Amino acid sequence: QVQLVESGGGVVQPGGSLRLSCAVSGFTFSRYAMYWVRQAPGKGPEWVAVISFDGYSKHYGDSVKGRFTISRDNSKKTLFLQMTSLRVEDTAVYYCTRVVSGYHYFDFWGQGTLVTVSS
Amino acid sequence: QTVVTQEPSFSVSPGGTVTLTCGLSSGSVSTGHYPTWYQQPPGQAPRTLIFTTNTRSSGVPDRFSGSILGNKAALTITGAQADDDSDYYCVLYMGSGAYVFGNGTKVTVL
Repeated sequence: QVQLVESGGGVVQPGGSLRLSCAVSGFTFSRYAMYWVRQAPGKGPEWVAVISFDGYSKHYGDSVKGRFTISRDNSKKTLFLQMTSLRVEDTAVYYCTRVVSGYHYFDFWGQGTLVTVSS
Repeated sequence: QTVVTQEPSFSVSPGGTVTLTCGLSSGSVSTGHYPTWYQQPPGQAPRTLIFTTNTRSSGVPDRFSGSILGNKAALTITGAQADDDSDYYCVLYMGSGAYVFGNGTKVTVL
């Protein structure tokens, strides 16, 4: 079955960096565009970044543009999110999600990893 | 900045019907926004209920249905059950890989 397992979250000071990983199994990873979606406490989710199936096309939400970098290793079936210049408002659970192209929805989500930015 | 609007909360009796809506701060929601509805129990990841306006995801009971009502997307729960007590989020596709989520509706079944 499809599984997405995030890791790498933790507590970091403002201005710090963190790298999230998402290991996937149960489907052909290299055929799917992938997203990072985050959810701050008590808020609705927010899309953060998307990467095409082959890694060549990347787009970012306005709130993280220039600070976060999405990447993938199809040989290792792993998605990454490098986060730099972290701010208090980046505090959230970060989910790795698979998007169904053509239908434009996220069909599978990981369990999430919590990132807390605090001094 | 595009804002997706949802009712903050609804209360429904067991066996009752409730309709949640999903609107845009400016403009109308259409099928071209590929409205999707998620259910999120506390502490869990979202679960897909409805995608492309009105298609139920695999395993979702038929008491959940999606539609366009006027200028909004809508999720109707017909015959609410206790385990429908949850948060519900809608999300709209805005093109070029961008999505906007609503802030969610908390449904209480009592």
